[in-house]
Amino acid sequence: DAMVIQNPRYQVTQFGKPVTLSCSQTLNHNVMYWYQQKSSQAPKLLFHYYDKDFNNEADTPDNFQSRRPNTSFCFLDIRSPGLGDAAMYLCATSRARGVGVQPQHFGDGTRLSIL
Amino acid sequence: KQEVTQIPAALSVPEGENLVLNCSFTDSAIYNLQWFRQDPGKGLTSLLLIQSSQREQTSGRLNASLDKSSGRSTLYIAASQPGDSATYLCAVSRGETGFQKLVFGTGTRLLVSP
Repeated sequence: DAMVIQNPRYQVTQFGKPVTLSCSQTLNHNVMYWYQQKSSQAPKLLFHYYDKDFNNEADTPDNFQSRRPNTSFCFLDIRSPGLGDAAMYLCATSRARGVGVQPQHFGDGTRLSIL
Repeated sequence: KQEVTQIPAALSVPEGENLVLNCSFTDSAIYNLQWFRQDPGKGLTSLLLIQSSQREQTSGRLNASLDKSSGRSTLYIAASQPGDSATYLCAVSRGETGFQKLVFGTGTRLLVSP
């Protein structure tokens, strides 16, 4: 019963060629997050959507964009991937409507390689 | 700026041992702390969430404690099994409700041998 689904699991793109990673959820959670995790490093939050409101982290490069067309789907767009963008990209969701703090639910990630 | 450190970075134990993983954070003004498990090439699975007002949480063979004033948390795994082999990450949050900005440690890679 996959609840946060990321596609594809593995993505290879060329240096400078735009790439889009997708995330869908069946939990009806109103908050969705994108994290970047480089090898042997901690996951780092890139941005999140609280409902339709987009919130960018201050140190997220402009090269990274996101779209959330509806509650279930969220996309990560990398406009011009560089070699340093090779990483695992994790999508997470959580519920936040007056219910206090709820754990985040993560997908299995998309591993991005840059040629 | 919040920094989260996990010690040790790697741990190898024989099956059946009880073990403790450590997590420390520099800013004690947290709202909660979570422990996650990450299997190779996979996402994160939430194991335990401790609110800042709580001292510990238990789930099966796992027990997590929190000492907010000293900036420390421990994850205790009883009677370890080979299936426990994974990377364990702790993360702290300042979010009061709803949105949680999690700051992660780099994890402890655990190997439990049969």
